[in-house]
Amino acid sequence: ELKVEQNPLFLSMQEGKNYTIYCNYSTTSDRLYWYRQDPGKSLESLFVLLSNGAVKQEGRLMASLDTKARLSTLHITAAVHDLSATYFCAVGYNTNAGKSTFGDGTTLTVKP
Amino acid sequence: EAGVVQSPRYKIIEKKQPVAFWCNPISGHNTLYWYLQNLGQGPELLIRYENEEAVDDSQLPKDRFSAERLKGVDSTLKIQPAELGDSAVYLCASSEAGGNTEAFFGQGTRLTVV
Repeated sequence: ELKVEQNPLFLSMQEGKNYTIYCNYSTTSDRLYWYRQDPGKSLESLFVLLSNGAVKQEGRLMASLDTKARLSTLHITAAVHDLSATYFCAVGYNTNAGKSTFGDGTTLTVKP
Repeated sequence: EAGVVQSPRYKIIEKKQPVAFWCNPISGHNTLYWYLQNLGQGPELLIRYENEEAVDDSQLPKDRFSAERLKGVDSTLKIQPAELGDSAVYLCASSEAGGNTEAFFGQGTRLTVV
């Protein structure tokens, strides 16, 4: 069974600083998704990564996928308060298109 | 374009009572998901539909949970009878067919069983 582990689970950082969130998974997959969830709200799609070496950037966030290492990273550059949220990675099943398993999320707090 | 619509947003019921949740996916999305999200955890898949067919319901507790998507559009998720441990947020999501696209989530229904 596919297991997805995110770390850290909680992250408090100062505005302007850089940091990376890690998403490790246990079995072969070449599909990975990153979502953002604000408190009391639903999940919003951020990135879709569909191949080894895929890199996508949107504003201060950049996501990458290394399928050989079974690792995805979400890098935050020069954090701002608006990035405070919980970030989830979800890993797709190669043998079951449409199915994915979510990590437990990383709750990011950016302090002024 | 309207997103995924769920109702109700909040529901409080007594244990052993039935409850139903409704979801209207994004127009044209053939794939519909029901997820359960406990506080501090990621969503867990309950059931996935491709059109009106349930293609993955292995995580659905079938003794008390049921779901349907009769015309391949709207869907309902039912719990009967509800237990205290069912208190959670129930999320509906939809995506285009094919499995390589992200899911779009509704606002969820926060269920409290007392």
